[in-house]
This record gives sequence, C-alpha cells and structure tokens, in this order.
Amino acid sequence: EAQVTQNPRYLITVTGKKLTVTCSQNMNHEYMSWYRQDPGLGLRQIYYSMNVEVTDKGDVPEGYKVSRKEKRNFPLILESPSPNQTSLYFCASSLGGLSGYTFGSGTRLTVV
Amino acid sequence: GEDVEQSLFLSVREGDSSVINCTYTDSSSTYLYWYKQEPGAGLQLLTYIFSNMDMKQDQRLTVLLNKKDKHLSLRIADTQTGDSAIYFCAESRTGANNLFFGTGTRLTVIP
Repeated sequence: EAQVTQNPRYLITVTGKKLTVTCSQNMNHEYMSWYRQDPGLGLRQIYYSMNVEVTDKGDVPEGYKVSRKEKRNFPLILESPSPNQTSLYFCASSLGGLSGYTFGSGTRLTVV
Repeated sequence: GEDVEQSLFLSVREGDSSVINCTYTDSSSTYLYWYKQEPGAGLQLLTYIFSNMDMKQDQRLTVLLNKKDKHLSLRIADTQTGDSAIYFCAESRTGANNLFFGTGTRLTVIP
C-alpha cells in the first residue's frame, strides 16, 4: 500500500531532551516535507526536500533540523525541544506538480 | 502576500449543500487544492484545480475559482455525516516546492 509512515504517533518529552520523528514513504517520491499544525494557524511548513541531500527551510524552521540521506526517509530532529514546539506534526511526500502531497497520519508531540 | 484565509467553522444539516470558502493573496498561484482531515488522521487530497480553470466537478464536489477576486470555493452536494471534518485549501506557486495552507474550516453535519 502506498503510504507515508511517521513514528511515533504520540510523544511526550521534557524540555531539552533531543528527539527524532521518523518519516518514510514507499512511493519513490522526490519531494518530502514537514508541517506543523496548530489551532487557528492551519499547517505551516517547517522544512522540505526536493531530493536526496537537498533540503531547504520552510516558513517556521527555527528549532528543527532535517536530513535526507535516502530518498524514502526524511527524519525531523529537535535538538533541544521547547514547550512552544508542542504541536501536531505531519510528514508529506509528493511527485510534484498536480499530484499534491500524500500525508502521514501525524505525530502529536507534547514538550513539558 | 502568502495569506490563505478560511472561516473556521461551518454547520449544515444532512442532505443540504455545504459551501466552504477560501481567499488567497498571491496571484502567481498555479494549482489550488482542497484537502480533508478527519479526526485523528492526516490530510487527504480531495480535489485540485489549475489556475486557468473556472470550475471543476467531481461527483458531489464542485470547485469554483474566481481568479480576479482570488476566491476559491468547495461545494459539497447532499452533505452526509461522514463529510464532517476539517477542510483545508492550499495553493502552490510556479517554482515553489511547498504548499501554503489556509487555517482550515471545521464542517459539522447535523443529522
């Protein structure tokens, strides 16, 4: 089944403890992206990647890192999480153009 | 101008039509999308329209685009309780590799 898989689905962590949210797609898509969803703000892009080893900042990149060492994986790294990074995170992938993005099921992160 | 705006809430009775509206500010938008988010799930692509089109119909869904007013709407005919969800409009632009999303409209269908 064609899908974008994120892990974990839920995560509660403490301020400053490094964490990684994994994202994997099995559709051989070139484009991958991370979004965060906050009430009243819709989805805001954190980082995106156009291909292996090619990444760029989105609208809200501060406090996040990404890597794209393989086409299928695009992990999101929070080196020192803070409470304002409590949010619902979505990974998405796309062939580009008309196809739009296929989204993962989301990761709900709480930083205390 | 990257703002994409939607009203936050809409309630309709089962069987009625729903119209969800969206305004955007960037005239370079090339594709416009509607996504649906059901509770606890990711976003599912419902439909899209290219910026040189005025209308697109797909079963119960009708998308209208007024490029002059930068206004996009999604009409759902014969709305069912299973249509209750958050609906996002999104725009992409030539040469851009990201989608700009609206705030989402929470549609509640009353039985």
